[in-house]
Amino acid sequence: NAGVTQTPKFQVLKTGQSMTLQCAQDMNHNSMYWYRQDPGMGLRLIYYSASEGTTDKGEVPNGYNVSRLNKREFSLRLESAAPSQTSVYFCASRNRGFATSGNTIYFGEGSWLTVV
Amino acid sequence: GENVEQHPSTLSVQEGDSAVIKCTYSDSASNYFPWYKQELGKRPQLIIDIRSNVGEKKDQRIAVTLNKTAKHFSLHITETQPEDSAVYFCAASIRGAEYGNKLVFGAGTILRVKS
Repeated sequence: NAGVTQTPKFQVLKTGQSMTLQCAQDMNHNSMYWYRQDPGMGLRLIYYSASEGTTDKGEVPNGYNVSRLNKREFSLRLESAAPSQTSVYFCASRNRGFATSGNTIYFGEGSWLTVV
Repeated sequence: GENVEQHPSTLSVQEGDSAVIKCTYSDSASNYFPWYKQELGKRPQLIIDIRSNVGEKKDQRIAVTLNKTAKHFSLHITETQPEDSAVYFCAASIRGAEYGNKLVFGAGTILRVKS
């Protein structure tokens, strides 16, 4: 049981290049998330998927697209990378609503992305 | 939009002292308030959470209190140890496409425990 796995762990891109961050969870969770983390700004939600087949924008969706490929996988794509997208990206997942006792959000190990 | 404010941004305490971090939230419908600890280069990990039907929860040296009327909640760490040094994030559930589906995070508090 690996939990939430994301790849790659490190990536350097040139401005204008595209790339996809991959995420998979083996906990049979319904909801999946992509966050970015910047110094002094906490974790900001980019996109989320409440269930297979649905996606919705978070706080900072501009410049990103997502695909919920199946229940396990949720990918994040940068179509034309910009230096402002240099950040640490975290994928996360959760089972059901937060009101249900024992449910919380679990994070992957992070992907360090630098755009030069 | 919905936001969570967290204070202080940095906190230094002497080993053995207590540390308190405070957060306020804006969405009166928020009903779930977790705290995460993040060590350098690692993922955020849940340390304690509280739901809106209780006012306080304790787990060994860590406790969280919630005041729904004032819309603020706090993390209390007693008898701090050097291994408590990390960044701590609070969060609140926000009504999304599915009720309570999203978490909005505070900006984080860097806690340093000096030995």
